Amino acid sequence: EDQVTQSPEALRLQEGESSSLNCSYTVSGLRGLFWYRQDPGKGPEFLFTLYSAGEEKEKERLKATLTKKESFLHITAPKPEDSATYLCAVQAQTGGFKTIFGAGTRLFVKA
Amino acid sequence: ETGVTQTPRHLVMGMTNKKSLKCEQHLGHNAMYWYKQSAKKPLELMFVYSLEERVENNSVPSRFSPECPNSSHLFLHLHTLQPEDSALYLCASSQDHGSNQPQHFGDGTRLSIL
Repeated sequence: EDQVTQSPEALRLQEGESSSLNCSYTVSGLRGLFWYRQDPGKGPEFLFTLYSAGEEKEKERLKATLTKKESFLHITAPKPEDSATYLCAVQAQTGGFKTIFGAGTRLFVKA
Repeated sequence: ETGVTQTPRHLVMGMTNKKSLKCEQHLGHNAMYWYKQSAKKPLELMFVYSLEERVENNSVPSRFSPECPNSSHLFLHLHTLQPEDSALYLCASSQDHGSNQPQHFGDGTRLSIL
C-alpha cells in the first residue's frame, strides 16, 4: 500500500538552530515528491518538487533532498517566521496518479 | 485576482441545513480537487475533476455532492451533515490530472457542524 510518513510530528528549535524534517515514502513508481508549507488558517503553499533520487532544490533557508526511500527538508539558521506545518506529498504511478499526503511536521522556532 | 479562492472562509451549520462551498481558480488549470483536512491527519482526497468531468470519488458519503460547471469553478454541496464532518475543506487545482505537477491550494473553508 502506498504510504507517506513524516517525522517528527512536532519540532521546537531556537532561532539559528539548524535541523531537518523527514518524509519517508513507500509507493509503486514515484512520479514526484512535493513539499508544502501551511500556516494556521491558511491552505498549503507549494515549496518544491523533486522528481528523482539525488535531486536537490533550495529556497532561502530551506533545502529539499530526495533519495529512493525518503526526502529531507533541511532548515538552516531558522527564524521565527519559519514556524509553520510542513507537508510532504507523493504522486505515485499507481492508483490513478493519486497524490498522497503525510500528516505534516509542526515546526516552532523561538526567538 | 490570482490563485485559488474559496468562499466562505468559515461556515457554521446545523445537521439539517443545506449549504454550498465555492472554489474558483485563476491559474488556467484543467484539474480541480476537494480535500478534507482534520487535525493531525493527512489530507483526505474527496473528489477530482479533470476538464469538468469527475474522475475520482474516494468513497465519500452522498451527503457531499460536488459540481464542476467549468474548469475554473468547483462547488461542494452539503446536506444533512454529521458532527464528524467538521473540518477544513480545501480546494486545489493543477495543470492536468495525472501530470506530475504540484497542486495549488486555496485557504479553505472551516466548517463546523452543530
